[in-house]
Amino acid sequence: KNQVEQSPQSLIILEGKNCTLQCNYTVSPFSNLRWYKQDTGRGPVSLTIMTFSENTKSNGRYTATLDADTKQSSLHITASQLSDSASYICVVSANTGFQKLVFGTGTRLLVSP
Amino acid sequence: DAGITQSPRHKVTETGTPVTLRCHQTENHRYMYWYRQDPGHGLRLIHYSYGVKDTDKGEVSDGYSVSRSKTEDFLLTLESATSSQTSVYFCAIRQDTGTSGHQETQYFGPGTRLLVL
Repeated sequence: KNQVEQSPQSLIILEGKNCTLQCNYTVSPFSNLRWYKQDTGRGPVSLTIMTFSENTKSNGRYTATLDADTKQSSLHITASQLSDSASYICVVSANTGFQKLVFGTGTRLLVSP
Repeated sequence: DAGITQSPRHKVTETGTPVTLRCHQTENHRYMYWYRQDPGHGLRLIHYSYGVKDTDKGEVSDGYSVSRSKTEDFLLTLESATSSQTSVYFCAIRQDTGTSGHQETQYFGPGTRLLVL
């Protein structure tokens, strides 16, 4: 069964600190993995996208890694800001012709002053 | 936001009434999607469209229908709303961002919050 699991479910960190969010998946055949940020009351916004040949991708203070062998990804946030408070969703695409996306349930991050 | 708008943004309705949600895009994307988001679940695909009058079911399509008579508009109809359809509904479009076909990205609208009493 295609699944995406994220951990932790929620996280509180102090402003300025770093954090790492985890994503494990069992989606096959794998096409790509994306991380989305979803602010409260808004739609998800894409942060990074990685194909099977990429093992790291950065977008400002966000760095995503991918280990296709162990089917794990992480999202590292450096020098957190209050505006980083949001849900972070890991999404894996299956290469089935039709772009089937499997969504994780997200990690809810709260950056505290 | 890839030029995606959804209407209405909030709606309260009663069980048994029909409800139509609208997704409008301004950039001529071929693929459009409807998802629902509920606590404890990842986004789940309801229906999608790959062109005018071309639609197909997603994983949670029961109780929903869609129509796409113009490229820019994708309508989601709850034929007879039930309390289990209380949710946040997101429309998305697909944009290809690379040449390999593996870098397509979906862009999401702002969502419609629906409460069925």
